[in-house]
Amino acid sequence: GAVVSQHPSWVICKSGTSVKIECRSLDFQATTMFWYRQFPKQSLMLMATSNEGSKATYEQGVEKDKFLINHASLTLSTLTVTSAHPEDSSFYICSARWGPSEKLFFGSGTQLSVL
Amino acid sequence: QQPVQSPQAVILREGEDAVINCSSSKALYSVHWYRQKHGEAPVFLMILLKGGEQKGHEKISASFNEKKQQSSLYLTASQLSYSGTYFCGTEDASYNNNDMRFGAGTRLTVKP
Repeated sequence: GAVVSQHPSWVICKSGTSVKIECRSLDFQATTMFWYRQFPKQSLMLMATSNEGSKATYEQGVEKDKFLINHASLTLSTLTVTSAHPEDSSFYICSARWGPSEKLFFGSGTQLSVL
Repeated sequence: QQPVQSPQAVILREGEDAVINCSSSKALYSVHWYRQKHGEAPVFLMILLKGGEQKGHEKISASFNEKKQQSSLYLTASQLSYSGTYFCGTEDASYNNNDMRFGAGTRLTVKP
């Protein structure tokens, strides 16, 4: 089956620093990638939709200057948390699909802890 | 807008059945169902694209009523492996099929 690799699995950083999370589709071309944030025992909150070659579409309330998303190729999307603060600590998970209404393949997620 | 799922949690004995519901206030293009086990990524179960469509996968099936903007997931003769959190995901018809929002999830526990 299709595989989506997300890296790193976990990261600890100091407040004020930036963190980059990578999401790669290993064996298919992902026209769309989604970035979610998940709090313990809660749902997947859509942060942004990323289409290859175009600017990401952010959900209301998500600061695009803080959560920078780049989808430079059909196999790679990155999420950069800029000037991280403790309230940004969360589980971030990406998913990818090869076309509209196709099933999503999820990465294994990244646990971010900001000290 | 996120779909609404119910119930929030279900506890079953092996062999019992369960129904999980998902509804939206928006016109939907599709409904997806995923299962997430603790500490793991969500895994795809099925997609329903057409109004009135029903799909089945072994003892797990689902229906989608496009007019009512509702979907239900049916788990029959539950097994221990069915335990996990079930999420419905919806594509809003007005978003050109370019979104995927999930409900709050239904935590299913199957006991021996």
